[in-house]
Amino acid sequence: ELKVEQNPLFLSMQEGKNYTIYCNYSTTSDRLYWYRQDPGKSLESLFVLLSNGAVKQEGRLMASLDTKARLSTLHITAAVHDLSATYFCAGGPTGAGNMLTFGGGTRLMVKP
Amino acid sequence: DADVTQTPRNRITKTGKRIMLECSQTKGHDRMYWYRQDPGLGLRLIYYSFDVKDINKGEISDGYSVSRQAQAKFSLSLESAIPNQTALYFCATSLLGRDAGELFFGEGSRLTVL
Repeated sequence: ELKVEQNPLFLSMQEGKNYTIYCNYSTTSDRLYWYRQDPGKSLESLFVLLSNGAVKQEGRLMASLDTKARLSTLHITAAVHDLSATYFCAGGPTGAGNMLTFGGGTRLMVKP
Repeated sequence: DADVTQTPRNRITKTGKRIMLECSQTKGHDRMYWYRQDPGLGLRLIYYSFDVKDINKGEISDGYSVSRQAQAKFSLSLESAIPNQTALYFCATSLLGRDAGELFFGEGSRLTVL
């Protein structure tokens, strides 16, 4: 059974700073997804990582996947207030189709 | 209009009542899911359906049932609601295939059981 752990669970940071959210998973997963959720809203897909070494960037966010280390990271560069949200990673066991297991989420607050 | 629509968006009910949450989608996706979100626990899968004739239990199916009325419709029922089913419920859809495993979520249905 795949288990997905994110850390930190809560992150308060100043605008302009850099930080990384970590997503560890317990068994083989050949794909990893990152989602964003604004308070009271739905989840929005950010990144889809489908192979070892995959790196994707969108604006101030960059996600990477290391399947050998069972680790994905979401790096935030020069944070701005608009990035304040909860970020979830989700992994899928190899061969399990679209079945995803979600991490507990990282609540990010970016202060001016 | 949203591609994945959930109704109701908010519902307050009493213990023992039967509740149905409905989900419809216009994305043309075959696969549909029901997830439950509790603070600090992420999302947990309740049921999923890969097509109209295929229904599968997820991680936390006890106390819930589902019906896939059509490719575009997937409803979640709580036959006898209890307070620990108070949560935010999400319907999601996806395409077939490994490279299309990305989930598309509805707006959520907030359920409170008193």
